[in-house]
Amino acid sequence: QIQLVQSGPEVKKPGASVKVSCKTSGFTFINYGLSWVRQAPGQGLEWMGWISVFNGYTNYPQTVQGRITMTTDTSTNTAYMELRSLRFDDTAVYYCARRRSLTSGLEFDYWGQGTLVTVSS
Amino acid sequence: QSALTQPASVSGSPGQSITISCTGTSSDVGSFNLVSWYQQHPGRAPKLIIYEVNKRPSGVSNRFSGSKSGNTASLTISGLQAEDEADYYCCSYAGSTTFLMFGGGTKLTVL
Repeated sequence: QIQLVQSGPEVKKPGASVKVSCKTSGFTFINYGLSWVRQAPGQGLEWMGWISVFNGYTNYPQTVQGRITMTTDTSTNTAYMELRSLRFDDTAVYYCARRRSLTSGLEFDYWGQGTLVTVSS
Repeated sequence: QSALTQPASVSGSPGQSITISCTGTSSDVGSFNLVSWYQQHPGRAPKLIIYEVNKRPSGVSNRFSGSKSGNTASLTISGLQAEDEADYYCCSYAGSTTFLMFGGGTKLTVL
C-alpha cells in the first residue's frame, strides 16, 4: 500500500535550519510530484511548494521563497524539505503529500503523518 | 494574496445536508476548474475528498459532492453522519505566480 512516512519532531532555535524527510513506498516515486503543506497550531493549511521527482522542477510561494529548498532522492524514494532562517511563526506541523497526477490537476491524494517543528529560544 | 474565504463554522443534524462555500476571485476559483476539498479530523492528516471541482477519489462516499459557480466553489455533504464532523479546506490553483492557495477552513459540527 502507498505510504509516506515522515521524520520525527524537531525543536530549533530562531535562525537555525530544519530538514524534514518523507520516505515513500508503494508507488513509482519518479512518476509523481511531492508537495509540502504546513499547519500552525490551531490554524489552517498553508501550501509550501512542490517538486517534480522526474526532473527536479520546484515551485515555491513568495512567502517562503529564498528560505526553502525541496529535494528528492530517487535511490531511497525519499523527499526532503529544508527551511532556513527559522522564525517563531514557522512553528507548525509540516506534511508531505503526493500530487495525484504530474500531468493534470493539483490535488494531493496521499499524505504523510506530519512532523512538528517547534521554533523556540 | 489572501486565502480563499470559507465560513468559519457550519452545523447540521444527522441526516441533513450542508453546504460549505469557498469564495475566491476571477484569478483563481473563477478561472480554473482546479478546486479540491480536504477533510481533516483533529490530529490527523488531511484527506482528499473532491478534486477538479466535482470529482471524487476512489473510496470517498458519494454523500460528498462539489460544484462551482463563478468565483465560488461549494462542497455539499448529504445525509450527515457523526463521522463527518471535521474541518474542511478548499484549495485552488491561482495562476503561475501564486500557484496554489487554501481556504481558511470550516469546522463542521454534527449536532
